[in-house]
Order: sequence, then structure tokens, then C-alpha cells
Amino acid sequence: GQNIDQPTEMTATEGAIVQINCTYQTSGFNGLFWYQQHAGEAPTFLSYNVLDGLEEKGRFSSFLSRSKGYSYLLLKELQMKDSASYLCVPLGSNYQLIWGAGTKLIIKP
Amino acid sequence: IAGITQAPTSQILAAGRRMTLRCTQDMRHNAMYWYRQDLGLGLRLIHYSNTAGTTGKGEVPDGYSVSRANTDDFPLTLASAVPSQTSVYFCASSEKGGDYNEQFFGPGTRLTVL
Repeated sequence: GQNIDQPTEMTATEGAIVQINCTYQTSGFNGLFWYQQHAGEAPTFLSYNVLDGLEEKGRFSSFLSRSKGYSYLLLKELQMKDSASYLCVPLGSNYQLIWGAGTKLIIKP
Repeated sequence: IAGITQAPTSQILAAGRRMTLRCTQDMRHNAMYWYRQDLGLGLRLIHYSNTAGTTGKGEVPDGYSVSRANTDDFPLTLASAVPSQTSVYFCASSEKGGDYNEQFFGPGTRLTVL
């Protein structure tokens, strides 16, 4: 079967660092996306990992371990505008995206 | 326009009525997608099109139809709306289908079926 496991909700403080973990099980694997979705808005692309390791893009970094079926998104220097849901989206066999409900991140002053 | 537009922004519809949600992109992307997102849940793929003239069924296609007459437009039709089709509908596109390209999303259509 196909499954994505992320925390439902996390809380962090403005200026701090937060790591959102994701474990996944897919039939076939062709990489993993992270998307951000603000409440009431459409998802927007953050990162794509296909090889093991860390990809850094400004304040956001994404890590992938294919052997462990594990990824994380690291957000540094948190800002209030980072309050959103973060979606871990594996790309399975037939290049179909597997969407879960994501992690709702709440940033407090 | 730049990106993907959807119309209408929101709609309240009586059950049994026919409704077409419109989606237009100006990025010359080959692939387009329709998703629905129910409150608190993840996106579910309804239909997709990897190129103009072709369409495919996603995870939840029943009750919906699509067409792809040209590259830019990908309308979604509910032939006879039912209350369980109340949802937010997102249209998306990517350079190519069946690939690892990121998807770009429209702003969504909020549909309520009474």
C-alpha cells in the first residue's frame, strides 16, 4: 500500500528552527516533493529530492533517505508568514503524486 | 495573465444541476490536472491530461468529465452535481506529465452543492 506519515500539527516560535519529519511507503519511488499551502490557498512548490542528501534553498532545506523512506523539511529563522501546512508528497510508480493532509505549522511570536 | 486562472472563484449549486469549472494556463505546459480538496484532507486527483487531445482518470473520477481541446484550457464538468461534490477544486499544470516536474496551481474554486 501507499502511506505518508507526518505530524498533524506543530508549533514553533518566530526566529527559531523547526524540522518537519515525513515517512512514506510507496509502490515505486521517483522522488519526493515538499509543498507549502497557506490556509484557503493553493499549494506552492518548495523542493524536490530524488537523491539521498540535503538540498538547501534559502531558509528552507529538504533531506531525503530513500533506504529509510524518510524525508524532512527544515525551516530556519521562522517568520510569521511561514504559518501554513507543509505537504510531503512522494512521487510513486507511474509518476503519480501521493498527497497527504500535511503538517499544519503554527508560528507564535 | 500569468500562470493559471480558474473560474468561478466560488459557486453555490443546487443538486442535480450541471456545472463546468474553467481552467486556463498561459505557460504552454503540456500536462494539466484537476484535484479536489475536502476540508482537512489531502488533494485527490480527479482527472489529468498529459497533452492536448488526451485525458486520463485519476483517483476519484466518478461524476466528473474533462476535455482538452487545446494546450491552454482544461474544463471540468459535473454532469449532475451531488452534495458529496462539495469541495475546493484546484487546477494545476506542469511542463510534462508522467515526470518529476513541479506542478503549478490555480487559486481554486470553492463549490457548494446543496
